[in-house]
Amino acid sequence: GAVVSQHPSWVICKSGTSVKIECRSLDFQATTMFWYRQFPKQSLMLMATSNEGSKATYEQGVEKDKFLINHASLTLSTLTVTSAHPEDSSFYICSANSLAGGPNGELFFGEGSRLTVL
Amino acid sequence: AQSVTQLDSQVPVFEEAPVELRCNYSSSVSVYLFWYVQYPNQGLQLLLKYLSGSTLVKGINGFEAEFNKSQTSFHLRKPSVHISDTAEYFCAVTRPGGATNKLIFGTGTLLAVQP
Repeated sequence: GAVVSQHPSWVICKSGTSVKIECRSLDFQATTMFWYRQFPKQSLMLMATSNEGSKATYEQGVEKDKFLINHASLTLSTLTVTSAHPEDSSFYICSANSLAGGPNGELFFGEGSRLTVL
Repeated sequence: AQSVTQLDSQVPVFEEAPVELRCNYSSSVSVYLFWYVQYPNQGLQLLLKYLSGSTLVKGINGFEAEFNKSQTSFHLRKPSVHISDTAEYFCAVTRPGGATNKLIFGTGTLLAVQP
């Protein structure tokens, strides 16, 4: 199946710094990527929908200035957590829909990135 | 809007026993339904999906699920579980007709297989 890769898989940073997480579709093109956040022992909460070449659409309650999303190409979307604080510590997962998948769109998920803010 | 309910947060079961993980959904329109598995510190892997057609869907690792429109359910089953099936299982729903449609997840069910 299609492969989605996230980098880094884990990162530890100091409070106040910014962290960038990359999401790449390795063997297919994705016009749309989704960013999810998962707290321990909880479900995935959709943060934003990232569309190639346009601004991301954020879910209610997600600060767009806090979580900057850039989808510069059909194979890369980035999530930047700006001025990170300990409460931003979480598991961030991206997913992408293959263009070839059509409207039935199976989503392919990355391995996730664990962010720990000290 | 669509929503998903997984009533069981945790299901303990002995190895080689059958298991059913429950999922109910709510939607005013037709839906696509999915089951995903998540192993610790990993992303999600698709187990199976229902788009249309036969209501009994077979997936990987011996899992199957049945779409029941009248009961708005999509329960996941396996006749005999293995230790390696221990993981978090998520039911998800989306609206047909667009690659940009959001996937809404349930809260997850931890399947804990004991020897």
